[in-house]
Amino acid sequence: NAGVTQTPKFRVLKTGQSMTLLCAQDMNHEYMYWYRQDPGMGLRLIHYSVGEGTTAKGEVPDGYNVSRLKKQNFLLGLESAAPSQTSVYFCASSYLPWTGGTGELFFGEGSRLTVL
Amino acid sequence: QKEVEQDPGPLSVPEGAIVSLNCTYSNSAFQYFMWYRQYSRKGPELLMYTYSSGNKEDGRFTAQVDKSSKYISLFIRDSQPSDSATYLCATTSGNTPLVFGKGTRLSVIA
Repeated sequence: NAGVTQTPKFRVLKTGQSMTLLCAQDMNHEYMYWYRQDPGMGLRLIHYSVGEGTTAKGEVPDGYNVSRLKKQNFLLGLESAAPSQTSVYFCASSYLPWTGGTGELFFGEGSRLTVL
Repeated sequence: QKEVEQDPGPLSVPEGAIVSLNCTYSNSAFQYFMWYRQYSRKGPELLMYTYSSGNKEDGRFTAQVDKSSKYISLFIRDSQPSDSATYLCATTSGNTPLVFGKGTRLSVIA
């Protein structure tokens, strides 16, 4: 089972370049999320989606845009990358919102982005 | 003050030891509590889930929540080298996104 797949797994960008991270899930989940993980900062929510065609801001949305055109895909875009966006990005999905059942989020393996 | 505080460690223990991992939180509205385990260069995975106060046991793992003191604990009995990972606590009121602690890095030495 693929679960949650993130592409690319590694990327190096120069300041000012743009890029898109792709997240795909094959579990028919309604809810999808983008987190960033930095040393000493833990997991912080960037944007999330509660269904196809919807997006919402999380804790640290500035400098990022997202789209959920298809239920199985959630894209994270950086329009003008900055060194402060160097991080490990995790996509996650869930069948139910944070409280349904176990409230379990299924995470991808991460995308490591370096902005020079 | 961050909503969830967690000592990042690192914590190093010998194989077979009892491990205690802890978090504190500030929002009394939080009522769903989780522990995620994250192996190196992997995504987090759900380990334990608890609703409101009390204990929950699953094999060698016990999750404990004390809402009166806003304290969350994870105990690992008979720790194994395979338990070496980062453990993240997470919580929500049910109407807002999960809030994660910073994670505690645990090493179990054989």
